[in-house]
Amino acid sequence: EDKVVQSPLSLVVHEGDTVTLNCSYEVTNFRSLLWYKQEKKAPTFLFMLTSSGIEKKSGRLSSILDKKELFSILNITATQTGDSAVYLCAPIPYSGAGSYQLTFGKGTKLSVIP
Amino acid sequence: GAGVSQSPSNKVTEKGKDVELRCDPISGHTALYWYRQSLGQGLEFLIYFQGNSAPDKSGLPSDRFSAERTGGSVSTLTIQRTQQEDSAVYLCASSTGPDRGRNEQYFGPGTRLTVT
Repeated sequence: EDKVVQSPLSLVVHEGDTVTLNCSYEVTNFRSLLWYKQEKKAPTFLFMLTSSGIEKKSGRLSSILDKKELFSILNITATQTGDSAVYLCAPIPYSGAGSYQLTFGKGTKLSVIP
Repeated sequence: GAGVSQSPSNKVTEKGKDVELRCDPISGHTALYWYRQSLGQGLEFLIYFQGNSAPDKSGLPSDRFSAERTGGSVSTLTIQRTQQEDSAVYLCASSTGPDRGRNEQYFGPGTRLTVT
């Protein structure tokens, strides 16, 4: 059974701090991993990572994947109150049975206080 | 449209009534997914459509839940004889399809269902 563990479950930081969110996974026939930010209802797509060791960057957010150790991290530098959200990761297996079914982690709830 | 849309955004219903939730995916996206998220819980997969067919209904929690998709576009999730445990946010997502090499799913704003 596919398994996704995110840590920490929640995190409270001050504006300007840097945070690292972790996602470890056990997925049959792993292909890629997705990161989402969920503020109110709808998760918004952040990154898709397919190759090990290649950092993806978008503004203050960056993410990297380690396919050998089966984990990914999401970094946020110089955090702002607008970064407060639940961050979700979801691995994707290769096409075939179950490839469409994303197994989401429970998420990391990040709270950034002024 | 520009993004996935869902309606209604909020629905309050009495226990035992039927409800219909609607999802309009991104134009051109052949794959459509329904999830639900109960308070404080993670996203739970319900059903997936490729075109109008649903190869995987394994996530539907009971036979009170059904979904259909017509014209390869709009989908409706129906919950019959609603129960209080059905209260959750129901999220719809679409993607270009799992076999195109890109499978990021784009989510709609969700429908918050409250069963009283």
